[in-house]
Amino acid sequence: GAVVSQHPSRVICKSGTSVKIECRSLDFQATTMFWYRQFPKKSLMLMATSNEGSKATYEQGVEKDKFLINHASLTLSTLTVTSAHPEDSSFYICSARKQSVGELFFGEGSRLTVL
Amino acid sequence: GESVGLHLPTLSVQEGDNSIINCAYSNSASDYFIWYKQESGKGPQFIIDIRSNMDKRQGQRVTVLLNKTVKHLSLQIAATQPGDSAVYFCAENIAGGYQKVTFGTGTKLQVIP
Repeated sequence: GAVVSQHPSRVICKSGTSVKIECRSLDFQATTMFWYRQFPKKSLMLMATSNEGSKATYEQGVEKDKFLINHASLTLSTLTVTSAHPEDSSFYICSARKQSVGELFFGEGSRLTVL
Repeated sequence: GESVGLHLPTLSVQEGDNSIINCAYSNSASDYFIWYKQESGKGPQFIIDIRSNMDKRQGQRVTVLLNKTVKHLSLQIAATQPGDSAVYFCAENIAGGYQKVTFGTGTKLQVIP
């Protein structure tokens, strides 16, 4: 099956610092990657859709300057939370798909805690 | 047992019984639907999917039903087991210039041994 790896799984940082989360498709080329945010006992909220080689499409209400997404290759997308604040603490999950419409393969998530 | 996800976020069923988890979607442009299972602290796991040109699809112990008329999706789990305890989400693929997948509210399934 298709495997998506997300790193780091947990990160703790100080307020004001930036944190980068990586999402890799290990055994397939991902045409599209998605980034989600999830609060405790809540659903996944789509933050942005990322296509390789082009700018990410952000959902309404998501600050693009705050959450920088780079999709440099067909197997790697990164999410950088810039100048992190405690309210940015959350579970961030990436997913990837092989085709324009089809199953999404999810990473195991990254839990960010901002002190 | 039966659940309407938005109003009954927790569904408790006896081990061995069948479970029905419901989901309402909102976008008539959605052309593909997926059910995911999420265990605590982990990413979602694919269960089953269905395209909009179908109204039923069966997997191993699971069946997904799609009613496009009322924009309703359900997941049926046969002979529910303790390992089925998790939060279940329906997701819809919204067709358009950028294909994107959004998630429903989720339903927590608790299996009583």
